[in-house]
Amino acid sequence: DVKVTQSSRYLVKRTGEKVFLECVQDMDHENMFWYRQDPGLGLRLIYFSYDVKMKEKGDIPEGYSVSREKKERFSLILESASTNQTSMYLCAIKGFTSGSWGETQYFGPGTRLLVL
Amino acid sequence: GQQLNQSPQSMFIQEGEDVSMNCTSSSIFNTWLWYKQDPGEGPVLLIALYKAGELTSNGRLTAQFGITRKDSFLNISASIPSDVGIYFCAGLPPGETSGSRLTFGEGTQLTVNP
Repeated sequence: DVKVTQSSRYLVKRTGEKVFLECVQDMDHENMFWYRQDPGLGLRLIYFSYDVKMKEKGDIPEGYSVSREKKERFSLILESASTNQTSMYLCAIKGFTSGSWGETQYFGPGTRLLVL
Repeated sequence: GQQLNQSPQSMFIQEGEDVSMNCTSSSIFNTWLWYKQDPGEGPVLLIALYKAGELTSNGRLTAQFGITRKDSFLNISASIPSDVGIYFCAGLPPGETSGSRLTFGEGTQLTVNP
């Protein structure tokens, strides 16, 4: 089974704090993604990475940065957290379905971040 | 990024009823994926479709890749209380190979009354 883990399920931070969200996968996959999910807005792509030290901006990168120093780990960084970054953050990896070997994405359990 | 049009936004049904939801787009996709998300959890892949016209089942779930490649539907038969959750469609457009960026629907919130 594909395993995507996120370092925290719930986080409470204060405005202005630097926040690190970690995502770890055990399948040696190249592509990893960070999304945020908000009611009424669906899943929005923040950043993705297709290899170590490689990153690409998604649809809403402002206020975020990422780090991919090792293949298995993809970190999302909020340099100075703000209340409008309160959200559910989901990490995903590109994978392949068994049998058909078609492409898909597998998600972690999510981190619910509250910025006060 | 582009969003898929997913409908309905929410459904309230009785246990045992069948459910149908769909996603449409103005552009074509090479892959359609259906996910379920339980409250406070990440989305879990239910069904993946890779060929136009493909019909695939997973237990009580059946999904189809529309022949025009611009739509997909998901059916749930004989619903049970644990079917409660948000169901998302996602599509992979042609040409999205290196980054593999999915386009997502906004989700269908399903409530099943026992």
